[in-house]
Amino acid sequence: DGGITQSPKYLFRKEGQNVTLSCEQNLNHDAMYWYRQDPGQGLRLIYYSQIVNDFQKGDIAEGYSVSREKKESFPLTVTSAQKNPTAFYLCASSIDGQETQYFGPGTRLLVL
Amino acid sequence: KQEVTQIPAALSVPEGENLVLNCSFTDSAIYNLQWFRQDPGKGLTSLLLIQSSQREQTSGRLNASLDKSSGRSTLYIAASQPGDSATYLCAVINYGGSQGNLIFGKGTKLSVKP
Repeated sequence: DGGITQSPKYLFRKEGQNVTLSCEQNLNHDAMYWYRQDPGQGLRLIYYSQIVNDFQKGDIAEGYSVSREKKESFPLTVTSAQKNPTAFYLCASSIDGQETQYFGPGTRLLVL
Repeated sequence: KQEVTQIPAALSVPEGENLVLNCSFTDSAIYNLQWFRQDPGKGLTSLLLIQSSQREQTSGRLNASLDKSSGRSTLYIAASQPGDSATYLCAVINYGGSQGNLIFGKGTKLSVKP
């Protein structure tokens, strides 16, 4: 089955800890994205990548980092510098930067 | 700065009713507009994508229209069903903006009652 997978479904972070959210796609898409969704808010772009080994900051990149070493994978690290990390995180991919984006099932991050 | 607004924030209708969801955007220089559906605690499902040169797109009981000059889009759902209950999100990509940067509205939460 082609699609986007995210893991884990739920993730708990302790104070001062870095955590990494996984995003994998087997759609052969060049572009991948990370969004954050807060209750009552629209989605906001954290980082995006148009091609392997290249990525760009979105609107709310502070406190986050990414890598794009493989076409299929775009992991997001929530660092200890992100003071309000509790949110629903969504990964997406598209053939290129202008076409329909396909979303994964999301990871809910909670702070202990 | 592009802003996307969706009205109403929530809508409850009886089963079988035809309904319209509204989306407006402040900058008409968009590349395309997309409508998504989100079920509680789930990711987004793409419903329809309208290129800036198009006026409407249809898929089954869904019809989305785009009026770029007035900064408006509507999503029409015919013969609504309880399974249509979800949050519907509208998003645009700007010309000249960050590649692939979808700018989202806050969504309309739809409840279709049997």
